[in-house]
This record gives sequence, C-alpha cells and structure tokens, in this order.
Amino acid sequence: EVLLVESGGGLVQPGGSLRLSCAASGFTFSSYWMSWVRQAPGKGLEWVANIKQDGSEKDYVDSVKGRFTISRDNAKNSLYLQMNSLRAEDTAVYYCARDKGWACSSGSCHTTYLDHWGQGALVTVSS
Amino acid sequence: DIVMTQTPLSLSVTPGQPASISCKSSQSLLHSDGKTYLYWYLQKPGQSPQLLIYEVSSRFSGVPDRFSGSGSGTDFTLKISRVEAEDVGVYYCMQGIHLPRTFGQGTKVDIK
Repeated sequence: EVLLVESGGGLVQPGGSLRLSCAASGFTFSSYWMSWVRQAPGKGLEWVANIKQDGSEKDYVDSVKGRFTISRDNAKNSLYLQMNSLRAEDTAVYYCARDKGWACSSGSCHTTYLDHWGQGALVTVSS
Repeated sequence: DIVMTQTPLSLSVTPGQPASISCKSSQSLLHSDGKTYLYWYLQKPGQSPQLLIYEVSSRFSGVPDRFSGSGSGTDFTLKISRVEAEDVGVYYCMQGIHLPRTFGQGTKVDIK
C-alpha cells in the first residue's frame, strides 16, 4: 500500500521559514517524480512544485519561485519542502503526492497527474 | 496557465439518482501523442484528494463503475450513474498537459 505521511507543519510569522517533510512507503520512492500541492482554508487545490527521481530537475508554480525549495533524500524515502519568506497567503494544508504519467513536446517532458496523496500538513502564517 | 472551469459549483442529489459535473478548459487538452490529459479527483470531507478518473475516461484502481468520464478537447463531464452517500465531497478536474498543473474550482456534492 502506498503511504505518504507529511510532517513539520505549524504556526510561523510572516517572513519566517518552515520545512515540511513527507515520508514515503509502500513503493520504490526513487523511481517516481514527487509533488507538493496546497489547499488554502476553504479553497481549491494549487500544485506547488515537483522534483525528478534523482533530484536533478525541479519545477515550481510562479507564486513560490525563489522562496520555496523542493528536495528529496532517496536513501530516507523522504520528500521535503523548504519554505522561506512566508506570507499570509501561503497559509494552507500542504499535501505531498506521487507523480505519474509522462508527456513530451518540443523536447520537453513532464509528468501528467498525481495518483496518491498524503493526509496533509497545515501551515499557518500569521503574526 | 490553463484555466479550468467547473459547473455547477454545488449539487444536491437524491441517493440513487444520477449526477453530472462539467469541466471546461481554456485550451485543448489533446496532446500531439493522441492522449487527452484530463483527470478527476474526489476530496471527501476531512480527507485528502483521491484519484477517480485519468485521461478523460479511465477509472483508477478500486473506483466503482458508477463513475464515468467523457469528453474531448476542452469540454469534459464526470457522471455518477447512481449517487450513494459515500460519494459526498468536492470533485475537482485537473489538466496535466501543461505545467503548472491546474485544477477547477471544485464542485461540492451533497445528499438531499
């Protein structure tokens, strides 16, 4: 059974930092791209970032570029999201998810969907 | 970014009756490889999203056959043939043809 368990959420002041972790089990972690998706309170879903199997490629939504860093440790079957310069609008439940699918065009390829999600970690940015 | 628009935003259904949710994308989701990258998720109350349908019409593992997806290009539909109490929650469509992946606003389904 695929299991993804997030941790590290909490209350942080605007401008502060927080690091989320996601522990993966039940599948060969090193074989999959992985993503972070967030959901603001009472709102919809927003894909945040993803990372290639070996960590050599990463993509981010524009709103977090330069502030958030996705990383992974395949020896520990773990995914991370380092969040710096946090803003009130970053308040959300953050889900880690496993990437699936593959589509290529003009020499550029990317995964196409998310098949398994963790239970989420709440990050609250407030003074 | 591709904009995904769902209608209706809420739906109240009598158990045993059908339900239908529409999703429209601002660009075609048909890729040059012949596949259409449209997905449906259900977020049950207090839970994380779960995959229902991938590539327009393929049911994910364990998804009951009362769920079906259809459509092409920019217009897609999720249908539940006979709604059950366990189907309540918020349904999201998502496009996977371009990054960033984007979701519809969600359609909340509850039971009358």
